[in-house]
Amino acid sequence: DAGVTQSPTHLIKTRGQQVTLRCSPKSGHDTVSWYQQALGQGPQFIFQYYEEEERQRGNFPDRFSGHQFPNYSSELNVNALLLGDSALYLCASSFMRLLTTYEQYFGPGTRLTVT
Amino acid sequence: GESVGLHLPTLSVQEGDNSIINCAYSNSASDYFIWYKQESGKGPQFIIDIRSNMDKRQGQRVTVLLNKTVKHLSLQIAATQPGDSAVYFCAEIPTGGFKTIFGAGTRLFVKA
Repeated sequence: DAGVTQSPTHLIKTRGQQVTLRCSPKSGHDTVSWYQQALGQGPQFIFQYYEEEERQRGNFPDRFSGHQFPNYSSELNVNALLLGDSALYLCASSFMRLLTTYEQYFGPGTRLTVT
Repeated sequence: GESVGLHLPTLSVQEGDNSIINCAYSNSASDYFIWYKQESGKGPQFIIDIRSNMDKRQGQRVTVLLNKTVKHLSLQIAATQPGDSAVYFCAEIPTGGFKTIFGAGTRLFVKA
């Protein structure tokens, strides 16, 4: 059973460019959340997708957008990249229908460097 | 604003000793508190959680204590092993929401 997978592993972009990061949730999971983790910091919630809709959003500008597909996989898009967007981007999946636990499974992340 | 902070940025313990990692939170209205472990190059890994209507919960070698009066959360690891070396995050989920608010993390070093 594959866990959460993310692609690519590493990415280098230039300021002003756009980037798309991808996530496949753990088998059986229906909810995907995205987090940004700066070096030496805890992950910061970007948004969560459930049933192909953005269900909740953190304090991130509109440059950050996402999508969830019918197979529950998800994309994170960041437009007009800034140097401060350099971070590890984590995807986490969970199964929300039971709502007995908020346990999330995290992927290994995508390391984005903006130069 | 909402925040989950940690008392100590680093903790060093001897192998076999017990470890206690502490966390203070500021949001009184939270349903869930969670501890995550993050090893180098990996995403956070769920360790244990506790609902806001509980004071204590035990897992395998780990115990989480919740003191709502002083807004304090702790993680106790019994018989700490070298494989426990990692960064530990406390996190909370506010009532009615779905986002997880993480603290800055505590790095645990286990000396052999």
